Amino acid sequence: AQSVTQLGSHVSVSEGALVLLRCNYSSSVPPYLFWYVQYPNQGLQLLLKYTSAATLVKGINGFEAEFKKSETSFHLTKPSAHMSDAAEYFCAVSKRGGKLIFGQGTELSVKP
Amino acid sequence: DADVTQTPRNRITKTGKRIMLECSQTKGHDRMYWYRQDPGLGLRLIYYSFDVKDINKGEISDGYSVSRQAQAKFSLSLESAIPNQTALYFCATSDQGLAGNGELFFGEGSRLTVL
Repeated sequence: AQSVTQLGSHVSVSEGALVLLRCNYSSSVPPYLFWYVQYPNQGLQLLLKYTSAATLVKGINGFEAEFKKSETSFHLTKPSAHMSDAAEYFCAVSKRGGKLIFGQGTELSVKP
Repeated sequence: DADVTQTPRNRITKTGKRIMLECSQTKGHDRMYWYRQDPGLGLRLIYYSFDVKDINKGEISDGYSVSRQAQAKFSLSLESAIPNQTALYFCATSDQGLAGNGELFFGEGSRLTVL
């Protein structure tokens, strides 16, 4: 069975600081991995996805994530946080043709 | 207009009442899903449908039922609502595509409160 664990339900950074949101997955087959973002009072939207091509994936709004098979990780980073990045972030895993399984979510706060 | 539309956006009801949440999509996708979001638990899959004749239970289907009326419409029903079904409900769609990579497109959510 597939699963995903996000380390830290709340992360707080200062504006301009590095953002690092952690995600580890469990999958018996090569996974597809995703990061979604949810802004207040909105649905989720895709930030980026890994589908077995390049291990470093670039997404929207300056975010990127690196697939590390040896560590079963897919951490999300952004070099410099902006106030508009404050949101809840979800890591998710699926297998080819399968359904998406989400992590518990990490709420990112950005301090001025 | 949104590609995935959920109605109602907010609903307050009483224990024991029947509730239907509706979802319609204009993306032309075959696959539709209902998720429930609770703080600290992320999103959990209730039901999913890969085409009009295909309905599948997700992780937490007890107390819920669904109907896929057409490719574009997928409704979720709570036959007899209970307070622990208070949550934010999301409908989502996906296109199987060449790789079936599972990318989902979400509606804006339906907030349900059961008193």
